[in-house]
Amino acid sequence: DAKTTQPTSMDCAEGRAANLPCNHSTISGNEYVYWYRQIHSQGPQYIIHGLKNNETNEMASLIITEDRKSSTLILPHATLRDTAVYYCIVRVAGNAGNMLTFGGGTRLMVKP
Amino acid sequence: EAGVTQSPTHLIKTRGQQATLRCSPISGHTSVYWYQQALGLGLQFLLWYDEGEERNRGNFPPRFSGRQFPNYSSELNVNALELEDSALYLCASNSPGRRNTEAFFGQGTRLTVV
Repeated sequence: DAKTTQPTSMDCAEGRAANLPCNHSTISGNEYVYWYRQIHSQGPQYIIHGLKNNETNEMASLIITEDRKSSTLILPHATLRDTAVYYCIVRVAGNAGNMLTFGGGTRLMVKP
Repeated sequence: EAGVTQSPTHLIKTRGQQATLRCSPISGHTSVYWYQQALGLGLQFLLWYDEGEERNRGNFPPRFSGRQFPNYSSELNVNALELEDSALYLCASNSPGRRNTEAFFGQGTRLTVV
Protein backbone atom coordinates (compact mmCIF):
# COMPACT_ATOMS: atom_id res chain seq x y z
CA ASP A 1 0.00 0.00 0.00
CA ALA A 2 1.12 3.53 -0.67
CA LYS A 3 2.08 5.44 2.44
CA THR A 4 0.23 8.49 3.66
CA THR A 5 1.33 11.58 5.55
CA GLN A 6 -1.01 13.46 7.86
CA PRO A 7 -0.50 16.25 10.39
CA THR A 8 -0.22 14.92 13.91
CA SER A 9 -2.92 17.13 15.33
CA MET A 10 -5.40 19.87 14.44
CA ASP A 11 -7.89 22.05 16.25
CA CYS A 12 -11.27 23.19 14.97
CA ALA A 13 -13.94 25.43 16.43
CA GLU A 14 -17.32 23.85 17.00
CA GLY A 15 -19.69 24.57 14.12
CA ARG A 16 -16.90 25.37 11.70
CA ALA A 17 -15.68 23.15 8.88
CA ALA A 18 -12.82 20.83 9.71
CA ASN A 19 -10.46 20.25 6.80
CA LEU A 20 -8.10 17.33 7.31
CA PRO A 21 -5.31 16.99 4.72
CA CYS A 22 -3.56 13.83 3.61
CA ASN A 23 -0.60 13.38 1.26
CA HIS A 24 -0.28 10.15 -0.71
CA SER A 25 2.21 11.03 -3.43
CA THR A 26 3.03 7.38 -4.27
CA ILE A 27 -0.57 6.28 -4.75
CA SER A 28 -1.12 3.77 -7.54
CA GLY A 29 -3.79 4.03 -10.21
CA ASN A 30 -5.93 1.30 -8.66
CA GLU A 31 -5.65 2.48 -5.06
CA TYR A 32 -8.53 4.18 -3.33
CA VAL A 33 -8.32 6.74 -0.54
CA TYR A 34 -10.16 5.62 2.60
CA TRP A 35 -10.85 7.60 5.74
CA TYR A 36 -11.60 6.14 9.15
CA ARG A 37 -11.82 7.75 12.55
CA GLN A 38 -11.33 6.40 16.03
CA ILE A 39 -13.02 7.99 18.96
CA HIS A 40 -11.18 7.36 22.20
CA SER A 41 -10.88 3.63 22.99
CA GLN A 42 -13.53 2.63 20.46
CA GLY A 43 -13.21 0.67 17.24
CA PRO A 44 -12.37 2.66 14.10
CA GLN A 45 -15.39 3.93 12.18
CA TYR A 46 -15.51 4.00 8.39
CA ILE A 47 -16.19 7.50 7.04
CA ILE A 48 -15.77 7.64 3.29
CA HIS A 49 -13.63 6.50 0.38
CA GLY A 50 -12.97 7.55 -3.20
CA LEU A 51 -10.82 6.93 -6.26
CA LYS A 52 -10.52 10.20 -8.17
CA ASN A 53 -13.85 11.95 -8.07
CA ASN A 54 -14.95 13.95 -5.09
CA GLU A 55 -17.31 12.06 -2.82
CA THR A 56 -19.90 13.14 -0.28
CA ASN A 57 -22.00 11.24 2.20
CA GLU A 58 -23.93 12.03 5.34
CA MET A 59 -20.76 12.22 7.40
CA ALA A 60 -18.23 14.06 5.28
CA SER A 61 -16.89 15.12 1.91
CA LEU A 62 -13.71 13.85 0.29
CA ILE A 63 -11.82 16.08 -2.10
CA ILE A 64 -9.09 14.38 -4.14
CA THR A 65 -6.67 16.46 -6.20
CA GLU A 66 -6.53 15.90 -9.93
CA ASP A 67 -3.10 14.25 -9.71
CA ARG A 68 -4.41 12.14 -6.80
CA LYS A 69 -1.33 12.87 -4.74
CA SER A 70 -3.30 14.42 -1.92
CA SER A 71 -6.79 14.63 -0.52
CA THR A 72 -8.82 16.50 2.07
CA LEU A 73 -11.53 15.18 4.33
CA ILE A 74 -14.09 17.85 5.14
CA LEU A 75 -16.43 17.72 8.11
CA PRO A 76 -18.76 20.59 7.18
CA HIS A 77 -20.00 21.50 10.65
CA ALA A 78 -17.76 19.97 13.28
CA THR A 79 -19.26 19.08 16.64
CA LEU A 80 -17.61 18.10 19.90
CA ARG A 81 -18.44 14.47 19.09
CA ASP A 82 -16.17 14.68 16.05
CA THR A 83 -13.13 14.85 18.33
CA ALA A 84 -11.18 11.75 17.30
CA VAL A 85 -8.11 10.44 15.51
CA TYR A 86 -8.67 10.48 11.76
CA TYR A 87 -6.82 7.99 9.59
CA CYS A 88 -6.19 8.36 5.87
CA ILE A 89 -5.43 5.03 4.18
CA VAL A 90 -4.82 4.06 0.59
CA ARG A 91 -5.59 0.56 -0.58
CA VAL A 92 -6.92 -1.42 -3.49
CA ALA A 93 -10.70 -1.72 -3.28
CA GLY A 94 -12.40 -4.99 -4.13
CA ASN A 95 -9.54 -6.90 -2.56
CA ALA A 96 -10.27 -7.89 0.98
CA GLY A 97 -6.79 -9.29 1.30
CA ASN A 98 -5.33 -5.83 1.08
CA MET A 99 -5.90 -5.15 4.72
CA LEU A 100 -6.01 -1.68 6.14
CA THR A 101 -2.63 -0.35 7.21
CA PHE A 102 -3.05 2.41 9.76
CA GLY A 103 -0.55 5.19 10.21
CA GLY A 104 -0.46 7.69 13.02
CA GLY A 105 -3.49 9.66 11.88
CA THR A 106 -4.51 13.21 12.77
CA ARG A 107 -5.84 13.92 16.22
CA LEU A 108 -8.68 16.40 15.68
CA MET A 109 -9.76 18.39 18.69
CA VAL A 110 -13.06 20.22 18.27
CA LYS A 111 -13.30 23.06 20.75
CA PRO A 112 -16.38 24.92 21.96
CA GLU B 1 -28.41 -5.12 11.05
CA ALA B 2 -26.01 -6.08 13.83
CA GLY B 3 -22.48 -4.80 13.56
CA VAL B 4 -19.28 -6.61 14.41
CA THR B 5 -19.49 -7.90 17.96
CA GLN B 6 -16.59 -8.80 20.21
CA SER B 7 -16.46 -10.54 23.56
CA PRO B 8 -15.55 -10.13 26.25
CA THR B 9 -15.38 -6.36 26.53
CA HIS B 10 -12.66 -6.56 29.14
CA LEU B 11 -10.35 -9.40 30.12
CA ILE B 12 -7.79 -9.56 32.90
CA LYS B 13 -5.19 -12.33 32.84
CA THR B 14 -2.03 -13.19 34.66
CA ARG B 15 1.33 -13.37 32.91
CA GLY B 16 1.85 -16.84 31.43
CA GLN B 17 -1.85 -17.59 31.06
CA GLN B 18 -3.79 -17.93 27.82
CA ALA B 19 -6.44 -15.52 26.56
CA THR B 20 -9.23 -16.23 24.09
CA LEU B 21 -11.01 -13.38 22.36
CA ARG B 22 -14.07 -13.79 20.16
CA CYS B 23 -15.47 -11.95 17.17
CA SER B 24 -18.72 -12.25 15.24
CA PRO B 25 -18.63 -10.54 11.84
CA ILE B 26 -21.44 -8.72 10.15
CA SER B 27 -23.89 -11.14 8.56
CA GLY B 28 -22.71 -11.99 5.05
CA HIS B 29 -19.09 -11.03 5.67
CA THR B 30 -16.59 -13.84 5.21
CA SER B 31 -13.34 -12.10 6.16
CA VAL B 32 -12.25 -11.32 9.69
CA TYR B 33 -9.24 -9.20 10.60
CA TRP B 34 -7.60 -8.86 13.99
CA TYR B 35 -5.65 -5.79 15.09
CA GLN B 36 -3.74 -4.94 18.26
CA GLN B 37 -3.65 -1.41 19.63
CA ALA B 38 -1.36 -0.95 22.59
CA LEU B 39 -1.93 2.10 24.77
CA GLY B 40 -0.96 5.25 22.94
CA LEU B 41 0.12 3.37 19.84
CA GLY B 42 -1.38 2.75 16.43
CA LEU B 43 -3.31 -0.23 15.14
CA GLN B 44 -1.07 -3.14 14.24
CA PHE B 45 -2.39 -5.82 11.89
CA LEU B 46 -2.37 -9.27 13.49
CA LEU B 47 -4.28 -11.84 11.43
CA TRP B 48 -6.66 -12.19 8.51
CA TYR B 49 -9.06 -15.10 8.11
CA ASP B 50 -11.30 -15.79 5.16
CA GLU B 51 -13.49 -18.80 4.44
CA GLY B 52 -12.03 -20.61 7.42
CA GLU B 53 -8.41 -20.22 6.38
CA GLU B 54 -5.63 -17.99 7.70
CA ARG B 55 -4.73 -15.78 4.73
CA ASN B 56 -2.12 -13.49 6.21
CA ARG B 57 -0.52 -12.54 9.49
CA GLY B 58 1.35 -9.55 10.75
CA ASN B 59 4.71 -9.42 12.48
CA PHE B 60 3.67 -11.17 15.68
CA PRO B 61 5.09 -14.28 17.36
CA PRO B 62 3.44 -17.70 16.91
CA ARG B 63 1.85 -17.53 20.35
CA PHE B 64 -0.70 -15.26 18.68
CA SER B 65 -3.01 -17.57 16.77
CA GLY B 66 -6.62 -18.01 15.92
CA ARG B 67 -9.20 -19.69 13.84
CA GLN B 68 -12.37 -19.02 11.90
CA PHE B 69 -15.45 -21.18 12.26
CA PRO B 70 -17.91 -22.30 9.55
CA ASN B 71 -20.26 -19.47 10.55
CA TYR B 72 -17.36 -17.04 9.94
CA SER B 73 -16.97 -16.08 13.57
CA SER B 74 -13.41 -16.05 14.81
CA GLU B 75 -11.28 -16.58 17.88
CA LEU B 76 -7.96 -14.99 18.69
CA ASN B 77 -5.79 -16.95 21.11
CA VAL B 78 -2.80 -15.51 22.87
CA ASN B 79 -0.64 -18.04 24.68
CA ALA B 80 1.99 -17.47 27.35
CA LEU B 81 0.76 -13.95 27.99
CA GLU B 82 3.32 -11.23 28.55
CA LEU B 83 2.79 -7.86 30.17
CA GLU B 84 3.28 -6.09 26.83
CA ASP B 85 0.32 -8.00 25.38
CA SER B 86 -1.92 -5.61 27.30
CA ALA B 87 -3.82 -3.78 24.59
CA LEU B 88 -7.12 -3.17 22.87
CA TYR B 89 -7.75 -5.99 20.41
CA LEU B 90 -9.98 -5.03 17.52
CA CYS B 91 -11.79 -7.22 15.03
CA ALA B 92 -13.04 -6.08 11.64
CA SER B 93 -15.00 -7.81 8.91
CA ASN B 94 -15.74 -7.40 5.22
CA SER B 95 -16.27 -9.51 2.14
CA PRO B 96 -13.81 -10.04 -0.71
CA GLY B 97 -15.01 -9.49 -4.22
CA ARG B 98 -17.65 -6.93 -3.43
CA ARG B 99 -17.46 -3.46 -4.85
CA ASN B 100 -17.64 -1.77 -1.49
CA THR B 101 -15.19 -3.60 0.69
CA GLU B 102 -14.80 -1.13 3.49
CA ALA B 103 -14.11 -2.95 6.73
CA PHE B 104 -16.30 -2.48 9.77
CA PHE B 105 -14.83 -2.73 13.24
CA GLY B 106 -16.13 -3.99 16.55
CA GLN B 107 -15.66 -2.11 19.79
CA GLY B 108 -12.77 -4.25 20.87
CA THR B 109 -11.64 -6.35 23.79
CA ARG B 110 -9.37 -4.67 26.28
CA LEU B 111 -6.89 -7.23 27.53
CA THR B 112 -4.92 -6.46 30.67
CA VAL B 113 -2.07 -8.74 31.66
CA VAL B 114 -0.91 -8.42 35.27
